[in-house]
Amino acid sequence: GESVGLHLPTLSVQEGDNSIINCAYSNSASDYFIWYKQESGKGPQFIIDIRSNMDKRQGQRVTVLLNKTVKHLSLQIAATQPGDSAVYFCAETPASGAQKLVFGQGTRLTINP
Amino acid sequence: GAVVSQHPSRVICKSGTSVKIECRSLDFQATTMFWYRQFPKQSLMLMATSNEGSKATYEQGVEKDKFLINHASLTLSTLTVTSAHPEDSSFYICSASEGQNYGYTFGSGTRLTVV
Repeated sequence: GESVGLHLPTLSVQEGDNSIINCAYSNSASDYFIWYKQESGKGPQFIIDIRSNMDKRQGQRVTVLLNKTVKHLSLQIAATQPGDSAVYFCAETPASGAQKLVFGQGTRLTINP
Repeated sequence: GAVVSQHPSRVICKSGTSVKIECRSLDFQATTMFWYRQFPKQSLMLMATSNEGSKATYEQGVEKDKFLINHASLTLSTLTVTSAHPEDSSFYICSASEGQNYGYTFGSGTRLTVV
């Protein structure tokens, strides 16, 4: 079936450190992946995306890595700041022709001062 | 950038009544809109996908007669929760897309409380 899951429900890091948030997906045919940040009471905010023909993509302070062999996705946040505290979701578009976006469980990232 | 406006942001209704939530794409034409429900400390669960001018496609386990979705124009989709009950209390979020190769823009969500 189509599902996207996360390994860790919570993650705490010191301000200034790097953080890595992981995600496992089950559909090997999925071709588009997105990381979202969600703050309390708000809608998801786009962070970075990657297509299945790539294995790495970088943005400002963020990097997404895709390992299709083990169906694993990760989000790396460099030099974390207090404003990075939020819940992070990976989401997947199954390559079934449908455009729907399936979300993983989410990881709550807490930045400690 | 693309903006999606969702209204209302919060609503409290009495059990048995109906509530309508609006989702508008402000600066683009949304050929497809999606409705999600999110319970506390849980992920977003897709309820249905709607394409402008056609019937919505509901995910398994979502009652189409309870959650009425209308996507009558390229900029507006509505979700009506009919005969609401306390267990329908949740955070409802819409998302809109211009098409297959475009991204997804999310609304800010609607907190529904049924008393």
